[in-house]
Amino acid sequence: NAGVTQTPKFRVLKTGQSMTLLCAQDMNHEYMYWYRQDPGMGLRLIHYSVGEGTTAKGEVPDGYNVSRLKKQNFLLGLESAAPSQTSVYFCATNPYGRTDSNQPQHFGDGTRLSIL
Amino acid sequence: GQSLEQPSEVTAVEGAIVQINCTYQTSGFYGLSWYQQHDGGAPTFLSYNGLDGLEETGRFSSFLSRSDSYGYLLLQELQMKDSASYFCAFEDTGRRALTFGSGTRLQVQP
Repeated sequence: NAGVTQTPKFRVLKTGQSMTLLCAQDMNHEYMYWYRQDPGMGLRLIHYSVGEGTTAKGEVPDGYNVSRLKKQNFLLGLESAAPSQTSVYFCATNPYGRTDSNQPQHFGDGTRLSIL
Repeated sequence: GQSLEQPSEVTAVEGAIVQINCTYQTSGFYGLSWYQQHDGGAPTFLSYNGLDGLEETGRFSSFLSRSDSYGYLLLQELQMKDSASYFCAFEDTGRRALTFGSGTRLQVQP
């Protein structure tokens, strides 16, 4: 997906390890989001940001931290990974947070994370 | 609370028409969106209803009835490439983020 780049694409961790997922966008969007998607389920919001320097909790924030030091980057951190955090993580952006036909959410290709 | 419910699976044949329903619960929202996701891929935007009624975009149409807390996605002239998961989602008035349903897996058969 042009515009939203997630790094890395795949990662395997051991329980207790830490890591950071990076989402970078070049569309100058204010809003950025982190979702997780478990098999057969929809996307659940972890954290989001309404602009540089801001973050807010979503539906499932426990065990994750985020930072938005620069407008174009939104980082998702796992301080001490647990098997329950095995999932596919998607980053998304939106110009001003109000979703409609002209301003849908744009998603990255996802990061597949396995925790053993 | 807020929630969206969709059937888990739908099967249809190539060339047919299929309707994917979505019922929801929320205290207030701006509109209903639909996203498509192929296996291993990212969700991509399909359609949006901010007002009641039908929105048409090529082979895809989406409908919303706020009084019935109900919407649907209609796919016409089904093609094999339409085999994917389809998610309805809304943005509630309290938070500028989407809440997604659990998705409907559409299998198109020859």
